[in-house]
Amino acid sequence: AQSVAQPEDQVNVAEGNPLTVKCTYSVSGNPYLFWYVQYPNRGLQFLLKYITGDNLVKGSYGFEAEFNKSQTSFHLKKPSALVSDSALYFCAVRFSGGYQKVTFGTGTKLQVIP
Amino acid sequence: GAVVSQHPSWVICKSGTSVKIECRSLDFQATTMFWYRQFPKQSLMLMATSNEGSKATYEQGVEKDKFLINHASLTLSTLTVTSAHPEDSSFYICSGGSWDTQYFGPGTRLTVL
Repeated sequence: AQSVAQPEDQVNVAEGNPLTVKCTYSVSGNPYLFWYVQYPNRGLQFLLKYITGDNLVKGSYGFEAEFNKSQTSFHLKKPSALVSDSALYFCAVRFSGGYQKVTFGTGTKLQVIP
Repeated sequence: GAVVSQHPSWVICKSGTSVKIECRSLDFQATTMFWYRQFPKQSLMLMATSNEGSKATYEQGVEKDKFLINHASLTLSTLTVTSAHPEDSSFYICSGGSWDTQYFGPGTRLTVL
């Protein structure tokens, strides 16, 4: 079985400060990991994914995430938060082998305070 | 990026009636489409995977006779909630593409009275 945990329901950060949205996972074997963002009344939008290779993955809108195998984590980061980054963020995982569905976390609401 | 639309964006219906939700890929052909259900403050729960021209694959615990999925063309998949009840009230989201590259629709809010 595979699972994803996003331990924080909400993260508040001041505009201009660095932000981190946490994600840990559990999967048998090598994982594929994803981050999506959901704005109000909009569909989920892809931010970035880790498949293989460099542990630091860079994605859309200045976001990046680091795959840490020993800690089974894939935290989302951005050096300087914008008010427009305020949204709901979902981490997702799937087993890399074979036909496996993607499992989503419960989401973290990011609030960037002006 | 690729665009997926859903119609309607919200619907209110009476208990016992059926509701159809459409999911369209506007600028790409979606051989595979996914249907999710999202409860407030909860994760997206995969309901079923549909491949164009074949029967949908339902996740464990999802009633296939209640949630009818049709994927008759490469750009359209429909989800019909039959004999809807208040407990079916939820946010339904579709996506097209592959497991690793999903393009999501904006979702449909269903309220069953």
